[in-house]
Amino acid sequence: KAGVTQTPRYLIKTRGQQVTLSCSPISGHRSVSWYQQTPGQGLQFLFEYFSETQRNKGNFPGRFSGRQFSNSRSEMNVSTLELGDSALYLCASSLGRGNPGANVLTFGAGSRLTVL
Amino acid sequence: QKEVEQDPGPLSVPEGAIVSLNCTYSNSAFQYFMWYRQYSRKGPELLMYTYSSGNKEDGRFTAQVDKSSKYISLFIRDSQPSDSATYLCAMSGPDTGANSKLTFGKGITLSVRP
Repeated sequence: KAGVTQTPRYLIKTRGQQVTLSCSPISGHRSVSWYQQTPGQGLQFLFEYFSETQRNKGNFPGRFSGRQFSNSRSEMNVSTLELGDSALYLCASSLGRGNPGANVLTFGAGSRLTVL
Repeated sequence: QKEVEQDPGPLSVPEGAIVSLNCTYSNSAFQYFMWYRQYSRKGPELLMYTYSSGNKEDGRFTAQVDKSSKYISLFIRDSQPSDSATYLCAMSGPDTGANSKLTFGKGITLSVRP
């Protein structure tokens, strides 16, 4: 069974640019959530998508956005990049709301973003 | 005060040692408690999952939750060099049917010396 796949694995951008990260969840998982991991703040919740709808959102500015497609694949976008956006962005999938173990997350390997 | 506090480490132990990792939390609504292990250049992987208070054992790993003290622990017996990784505690509230918003500790890096 394939795991959670994130692309690209590494990318370098400059301040002011935008970036789009992609996540393919485990087959059958309908919920996708995104986390930002930095040495200073650790893992912080960005948002959760289920059935193409954002169900929950963390405390991040509006520059961070996402969407989910009908096949449960998800993308997140960061616009007007800042130096502080340099981080490992992790995607996780789960069966989703209403299912036992809905908060049992399987993480991808992450997309490491460096903003110069 | 952060919702979840975890000893910052790093922690270095000899092979075969018993390791104790701990987290405290402030949000009494947390009901689900997890431990994740993260190897370098990998995503976190779920190690232990517990609901409410009590103990759970899985091989060399034991998770303990004390909701009255808002304190959770992970014990690793007979530690091995392959246990060298970053360990993260995570928690979530009840919500309706639970959701995937987890609150994580910052993680502690464990090194097991051969």
